[in-house]
Amino acid sequence: DAGITQSPRHKVTETGTPVTLRCHQTENHRYMYWYRQDPGHGLRLIHYSYGVKDTDKGEVSDGYSVSRSKTEDFLLTLESATSSQTSVYFCATQEGNTIYFGEGSWLTVV
Amino acid sequence: GQNIDQPTEMTATEGAIVQINCTYQTSGFNGLFWYQQHAGEAPTFLSYNVLDGLEEKGRFSSFLSRSKGYSYLLLKELQMKDSASYLCAGNQGGKLIFGQGTELSVKP
Repeated sequence: DAGITQSPRHKVTETGTPVTLRCHQTENHRYMYWYRQDPGHGLRLIHYSYGVKDTDKGEVSDGYSVSRSKTEDFLLTLESATSSQTSVYFCATQEGNTIYFGEGSWLTVV
Repeated sequence: GQNIDQPTEMTATEGAIVQINCTYQTSGFNGLFWYQQHAGEAPTFLSYNVLDGLEEKGRFSSFLSRSKGYSYLLLKELQMKDSASYLCAGNQGGKLIFGQGTELSVKP
């Protein structure tokens, strides 16, 4: 258990509105990740962070931004939500060679 | 990019043994992960292979051949609770690149 908490766990929002998902970890892990999971695509990396204020893009970063101002928090922002961003979002942290996942955030964009 | 291929679905019988295969392009990965994911839940870590060979952990074993770009997860003495998705993921410099996952159904 890597002490990962995601919020909100469930959200319904309208197209065009901004949305921020929060990932909070209590283990002081340096590396943090945001993935989305969709049927037929599996888990795909959106953005990741290797330390405070150090972030980089993953394979599906368009339409998303991230911020990491503290070790324990990694925020994922959808500046203007679209229906294609309806998905389950998982935060993850890394300890050694193991990556642990949070419980997921279910986002529906209507 | 790095393609990772797994069968989409498999079915097995309670008490039996099942092998879930994963193939990938041979360059770019430092190691191979296996995760289990029950419906509506987060993926949970099962194993990580860096070197060639078989790693055994209770009822679950994982095998890696780096030269062949091939891995498998072996589940023994199947139980109903083993019904889940099994995700293969390559470690690309700390970033995990996932296959689509294999949905395993265990039947009585």
